[in-house]
Amino acid sequence: KAGVTQTPRYLIKTRGQQVTLSCSPISGHRSVSWYQQTPGQGLQFLFEYFSETQRNKGNFPGRFSGRQFSNSRSEMNVSTLELGDSALYLCASSSGQILYNEQFFGPGTRLTVL
Amino acid sequence: AQSVTQLGSHVSVSEGALVLLRCNYSSSVPPYLFWYVQYPNQGLQLLLKYTTGATLVKGINGFEAEFKKSETSFHLTKPSAHMSDAAEYFCAVSAPGNQFYFGTGTSLTVIP
Repeated sequence: KAGVTQTPRYLIKTRGQQVTLSCSPISGHRSVSWYQQTPGQGLQFLFEYFSETQRNKGNFPGRFSGRQFSNSRSEMNVSTLELGDSALYLCASSSGQILYNEQFFGPGTRLTVL
Repeated sequence: AQSVTQLGSHVSVSEGALVLLRCNYSSSVPPYLFWYVQYPNQGLQLLLKYTTGATLVKGINGFEAEFKKSETSFHLTKPSAHMSDAAEYFCAVSAPGNQFYFGTGTSLTVIP
């Protein structure tokens, strides 16, 4: 079974631009979560989608948004990029509730904002 | 609300020595607890989890952790470290009605 894939793997943007990251979950998984990983803050939960609906949301500004398609693929969008948005963005899929089920992580997208 | 504290951002052990990575949590409701490992340039992988039942949980690669409610701890141990154990380890907590929280991670170095 193929794992979680994320595209692109690396991205360089400038302040003020917007960016869209993509995540394809493991086949059959309907839950997709997004995390931001930085050296200072560690891993922070952005949001979770299940069957095209946002099921849970972390404490990030509205510039961070996401969506999920009928095939469970998910996209995350960050508008008006700031320098502080530079991070590794991880996507994870799960077969059920992330609260107590295993999450399978992709390799991440490394975003650099200049 | 919950939170996770991992004591020690960097831990070094000799090959063959005991590995002990500390994790303390706070939660207003019974928590679910996890340990994930991240190898360089890879995503996270589940080592083990505690949801209900036996408080001593065994995971992959010889790791185990014990849920101690009285100490609000979920420390990760391995009797004998291998070079391949060098990685970043994350403790995480979740609970019904709440989010999923990761600790800030502990980088494990294994000295030959």
